[in-house]
Amino acid sequence: ETGVTQTPRHLVMGMTNKKSLKCEQHLGHNAMYWYKQSAKKPLELMFVYSLEERVENNSVPSRFSPECPNSSHLFLHLHTLQPEDSALYLCASSQVQGYEQYFGPGTRLTVT
Amino acid sequence: AQSVAQPEDQVNVAEGNPLTVKCTYSVSGNPYLFWYVQYPNRGLQFLLKYITGDNLVKGSYGFEAEFNKSQTSFHLKKPSALVSDSALYFCAVRDDQTGANNLFFGTGTRLTVIP
Repeated sequence: ETGVTQTPRHLVMGMTNKKSLKCEQHLGHNAMYWYKQSAKKPLELMFVYSLEERVENNSVPSRFSPECPNSSHLFLHLHTLQPEDSALYLCASSQVQGYEQYFGPGTRLTVT
Repeated sequence: AQSVAQPEDQVNVAEGNPLTVKCTYSVSGNPYLFWYVQYPNRGLQFLLKYITGDNLVKGSYGFEAEFNKSQTSFHLKKPSALVSDSALYFCAVRDDQTGANNLFFGTGTRLTVIP
């Protein structure tokens, strides 16, 4: 285990639903990330929080809304998603002044 | 702009043979380079990194990688492959000029070790 947990591991939701993904890190890190992993594509960085402040939002549609209430927890709130949003959503953490990131196991999201 | 290329979608190697997974990169400044491995239904697991110093970097599970500045490459290697090494491998880069810790990943190479 890497010290980063994600719940739920699997989620199926309709296009009109609202759901949230949760990430928790037990590594004492102070930066957290959301990535989207789709088949045959590079990992897409969605959001970056550094010291609980959002520092990156890579043109992500507003139907994805992140929240970082403290340095150990990160949420991704989902609403009115599209089928093309189906993917593996990965959370990661690191030290702000560090190098490598540590990843959680991901949430496999299916939008029907 | 920062980018990573992994030219091979798939690499097959016989168990016990040496393996190489290729990676080339493009950055503005000096590169920080990383290799990650992903097993089925799991997140990415950090293998090794190059920041500075010796061009040959050793990591977890007997893997190593060689930084080659002139060829802008950072190929992953292992002297003797195991069936359990079968997984998806990602190369990642960031440069030393950006303040953020954002990594840019390649598309991944699926390694299959044949018994």
